[in-house]
Amino acid sequence: KAGVTQTPRYLIKTRGQQVTLSCSPISGHRSVSWYQQTPGQGLQFLFEYFSETQRNKGNFPGRFSGRQFSNSRSEMNVSTLELGDSALYLCASDTGGGLGIHEQYFGPGTRLTVT
Amino acid sequence: AQKITQTQPGMFVQEKEAVTLDCTYDTSDQSYGLFWYKQPSSGEMIFLIYQGSYDEQNATEGRYSLNFQKARKSANLVISASQLGDSAMYFCAMRDENRDDKIIFGKGTRLHILP
Repeated sequence: KAGVTQTPRYLIKTRGQQVTLSCSPISGHRSVSWYQQTPGQGLQFLFEYFSETQRNKGNFPGRFSGRQFSNSRSEMNVSTLELGDSALYLCASDTGGGLGIHEQYFGPGTRLTVT
Repeated sequence: AQKITQTQPGMFVQEKEAVTLDCTYDTSDQSYGLFWYKQPSSGEMIFLIYQGSYDEQNATEGRYSLNFQKARKSANLVISASQLGDSAMYFCAMRDENRDDKIIFGKGTRLHILP
């Protein structure tokens, strides 16, 4: 079974621009979560989508948004980029529903550099 | 509020020795899950092991075991017979069964295995 894929793997943008990152979950997984990882702040939760609906949201400004498509693929968008948005953006998927607690499987991440 | 604490920012261990990575947590939920992830320098988060709060037995996965002490709210990861490839960042994480809260991560422990 293929793992979580993220595109692009690396990205360089300029302040003020916007960026869209893509995540394809493991087949059959309906939940997709996004995280920002920086050396200073560690892993911070951005949002989670399940069945095309945002289920949870972290404490990030409105410049960070996301969506999920009917095939469970997800995109996140960051508008008006700031230098502090430079980070590794990780996407994770899990089955998302039913009883029990499900582990998340992560993609390789997108390394975003804002100059 | 939920919280994960990893008190060891870095550890150096001789190859083939066992190593214990500490994790304590705080939650008011009755039902929750605890996870450990490994992040090599490549950046991808690799799921290692899961422990449910109602599981009476400690979880084991190959060389990994989770020393779960519910009363003390600790979920330490034990790696037996460490290998050079175990050198990585290790994160403890938690989420509640109701999925009302996002999965939260500790700050991580950087493990160095010495030849």
